[in-house]
Amino acid sequence: DAKTTQPPSMDCAEGRAANLPCNHSTISGNEYVYWYRQIHSQGPQYIIHGLKNNETNEMASLIITEDRKSSTLILPHATLRDTAVYYCIVRAGTSYGKLTFGQGTILTVHP
Amino acid sequence: GAGVSQSPSNKVTEKGKDVELRCDPISGHTALYWYRQSLGQGLEFLIYFQGNSAPDKSGLPSDRFSAERTGGSVSTLTIQRTQQEDSAVYLCASSGASVPGELFFGEGSRLTVL
Repeated sequence: DAKTTQPPSMDCAEGRAANLPCNHSTISGNEYVYWYRQIHSQGPQYIIHGLKNNETNEMASLIITEDRKSSTLILPHATLRDTAVYYCIVRAGTSYGKLTFGQGTILTVHP
Repeated sequence: GAGVSQSPSNKVTEKGKDVELRCDPISGHTALYWYRQSLGQGLEFLIYFQGNSAPDKSGLPSDRFSAERTGGSVSTLTIQRTQQEDSAVYLCASSGASVPGELFFGEGSRLTVL
C-alpha cells in the first residue's frame, strides 16, 4: 500500500472549517484513500473514503486532487468533540485486508 | 449489541502469566482484525481473519501471540508468558461486504503486565 504523509499536528477554531491535508504521491490506480479518526481513549472511527471523485457524507468531505497525489479531509464546522488524531490511509481496491495506520495528524479544536 | 464487543475491558496480570482477550464482531461481518496500541504510540496491526481463508499473521510480534476465530465469528487473542512490553490496548475490528475497508472498532482491552 502507498505511503502517506500528514502534518503531525494542526489547530482549528471551533465553528471554523478544519482542512487536513494528506500527501500520497505514490498512490496507484486501484488504491483508495481512507480517513479514520481516533478520539482519546476510544477505538478508531471510519470517516470517509474515495477513489478519485470528491466525496461527502454527514461527517466530512474528501477532496482528492486530479492527479490523486494528495487529498484533503474537510470538517466544515469543527467542534470541540472533533479533537482527535486523524489518519489518512491508502489501500488497494475495495477488497478485504489490513489497514496500516501511520502517525496521523493531531487536530486540536480550540474554543 | 450492534457494535464490536471486547472483553475484558481491563486486565492486570503478572509477568509470565497467560491471558486471553475476546472479541465479538458485528453479526454478519466476515473480516476480523486485531491491532494493539501501546501508550502514546500508533496502531500496530497484529492479525486478520477473512472468512475461511488462512489468517494474515504477519503482524504478530512473537510466537507467544496467537489468535483463533471459531465458527467465523468470535475471536480470541492469546498471549502466553506475558512480558511487561505486552502492556497495551488491544483493539479488535470487523468489516463487512458493503465497504470492506470500513473497519468498525471495539473499545479495546487494556492489558497491564506487572
